[in-house]
Amino acid sequence: GESVGLHLPTLSVQEGDNSIINCAYSNSASDYFIWYKQESGKGPQFIIDIRSNMDKRQGQRVTVLLNKTVKHLSLQIAATQPGDSAVYFCAESRRDMRFGAGTRLTVKP
Amino acid sequence: KAGVTQTPRYLIKTRGQQVTLSCSPISGHRSVSWYQQTPGQGLQFLFEYFSETQRNKGNFPGRFSGRQFSNSRSEMNVSTLELGDSALYLCASSLESGGNTEAFFGQGTRLTVV
Repeated sequence: GESVGLHLPTLSVQEGDNSIINCAYSNSASDYFIWYKQESGKGPQFIIDIRSNMDKRQGQRVTVLLNKTVKHLSLQIAATQPGDSAVYFCAESRRDMRFGAGTRLTVKP
Repeated sequence: KAGVTQTPRYLIKTRGQQVTLSCSPISGHRSVSWYQQTPGQGLQFLFEYFSETQRNKGNFPGRFSGRQFSNSRSEMNVSTLELGDSALYLCASSLESGGNTEAFFGQGTRLTVV
């Protein structure tokens, strides 16, 4: 069936290293993908999005890659900082937004 | 400009009761979507309202309902509460319907059913 899922539930990185968070989706009809960051006690916060006519989009310290051939989405965070520690969700959009399970990123000082 | 505002932030109810949650979207946003977040199920889509009309609905029982007012504010209602309804309820607002524009989330309402 259709699903949006994350490969790893937890990720631990050293401060200053780059982080890569992965996501798989199964609906080839999805045309809009979003990454959200959720800190404890807060609602999800938009990080970056990408539409299906692109394969890469860059923001400040973040890059999203979209591989439509294998239905894979990734979020790269450069020079990871302690403030990046949070749960990260990918979401795919068809008529509505559907979220993956989330990956908890922990940044070690 | 003000973000998405959800009230109340915390709520404790007993089984069998009903509850109403409120969401005020960002000014100018006409779409409001509701999500239920639990540790076991993650973020699950409940429904979306746009211009006072329900545009899309997730796989939740009829006990979960919502509405949207002419000022785009939205409420969701859960009747005959069950223990399993304990969750963080999030609303998100966006300019347009259909999930193809950036959505901004509120801080959520933490509902505990005892």
